[in-house]
Amino acid sequence: AQSVTQLDSQVPVFEEAPVELRCNYSSSVSVYLFWYVQYPNQGLQLLLKYLSGSTLVKGINGFEAEFNKSQTSFHLRKPSVHISDTAEYFCAVSEDNAGKSTFGDGTTLTVKP
Amino acid sequence: DAGVTQSPTHLIKTRGQQVTLRCSPISGHKSVSWYQQVLGQGPQFIFQYYEKEERGRGNFPDRFSARQFPNYSSELNVNALLLGDSALYLCASSLAGWGSNEQFFGPGTRLTVL
Repeated sequence: AQSVTQLDSQVPVFEEAPVELRCNYSSSVSVYLFWYVQYPNQGLQLLLKYLSGSTLVKGINGFEAEFNKSQTSFHLRKPSVHISDTAEYFCAVSEDNAGKSTFGDGTTLTVKP
Repeated sequence: DAGVTQSPTHLIKTRGQQVTLRCSPISGHKSVSWYQQVLGQGPQFIFQYYEKEERGRGNFPDRFSARQFPNYSSELNVNALLLGDSALYLCASSLAGWGSNEQFFGPGTRLTVL
């Protein structure tokens, strides 16, 4: 069975500061990894995904993530955050032969002026 | 192109009632998945359908059922509603439903059970 742990439930940060949202996963097989963002009262929007190849993945809105197989981690980073980045962020994992995704419980990113 | 659409947007029901939620996938997508998102938690997988067949089912009771129609739209039915069924129900569509396929999420249906 696969599982996802987001290590920080809340991350407050000042505008223009760097941020890292941490995600660890467990699975017995090879997986695909995703980061989604959810704004209040909206559905989820894909930020980036790791399928294979380069372990550094770049996504939308200046976000990037690094896949570390030995540490089973997929941490999300942004070098300089904006007020508009305030939202809930979810890490998710899926397996090749099953379209379902297993999500973490989310990290609330709050960007303060 | 239109994204994933869900109806209704909000719904209020009382315990014991039944509810039907609807989802229309992105044109060309043949797979639909349903997720339940309780406040403060991540989405939990309920069902996946591909080409009208159930491909996967999460750890939910038999009160939850779903189906996919020939036009790939889908319905989620929940019978004998409990207070704990109050949540945001998300529908996601993808091309073929494989793990590598990107899922596109709808805005969700907010169900409140009183």
